[in-house]
Amino acid sequence: IAGITQAPTSQILAAGRRMTLRCTQDMRHNAMYWYRQDLGLGLRLIHYSNTAGTTGKGEVPDGYSVSRANTDDFPLTLASAVPSQTSVYFCASSASDTDTQYFGPGTRLTVL
Amino acid sequence: GQNIDQPTEMTATEGAIVQINCTYQTSGFNGLFWYQQHAGEAPTFLSYNVLDGLEEKGRFSSFLSRSKGYSYLLLKELQMKDSASYLCAVRDQDYQLIWGAGTKLIIKP
Repeated sequence: IAGITQAPTSQILAAGRRMTLRCTQDMRHNAMYWYRQDLGLGLRLIHYSNTAGTTGKGEVPDGYSVSRANTDDFPLTLASAVPSQTSVYFCASSASDTDTQYFGPGTRLTVL
Repeated sequence: GQNIDQPTEMTATEGAIVQINCTYQTSGFNGLFWYQQHAGEAPTFLSYNVLDGLEEKGRFSSFLSRSKGYSYLLLKELQMKDSASYLCAVRDQDYQLIWGAGTKLIIKP
């Protein structure tokens, strides 16, 4: 692994289903982030974690949850997917919350 | 509220120079970032400004005026591979990044 990986690359999901998007980084970065990107809008922060064991809410946290059990992994869970959660999801990481963020390749999620 | 404004789309000619503007109104300021994003790919870091002035990095330069809430990204000697979206982001008082919607740059031969 080099940098940040995300899985799956894309997914089509039925409304009401539970889904976990995975994010792993091997740079030993302390801070990690989940964004969603929708056409015509800027990236919007869903949740973040400044260090393992801590998480915080971003601009659009409703319907999403995260955990940070260790430094490398930061999964994002949709407990009961809805069509408005159709989006491209990017995971990012930075050495600290004051450093440059680096992005994973993204997950394209469609909720029908 | 917090707001980042960029033009939606710009067109330029291969070999020319283009300037992409970004204006911002945020709760506090702890730096401004420019990212490049090719279609279907992740954003990649281009530049960072925290003090007023021009930062030059090869064909790309970025300028910041904190008093005016204004930045621009200058791309010289445009190449076809520069066709992409350019995202402006400001780090606010809580050290969160506030993102503009991006400027889609189209390069014509």
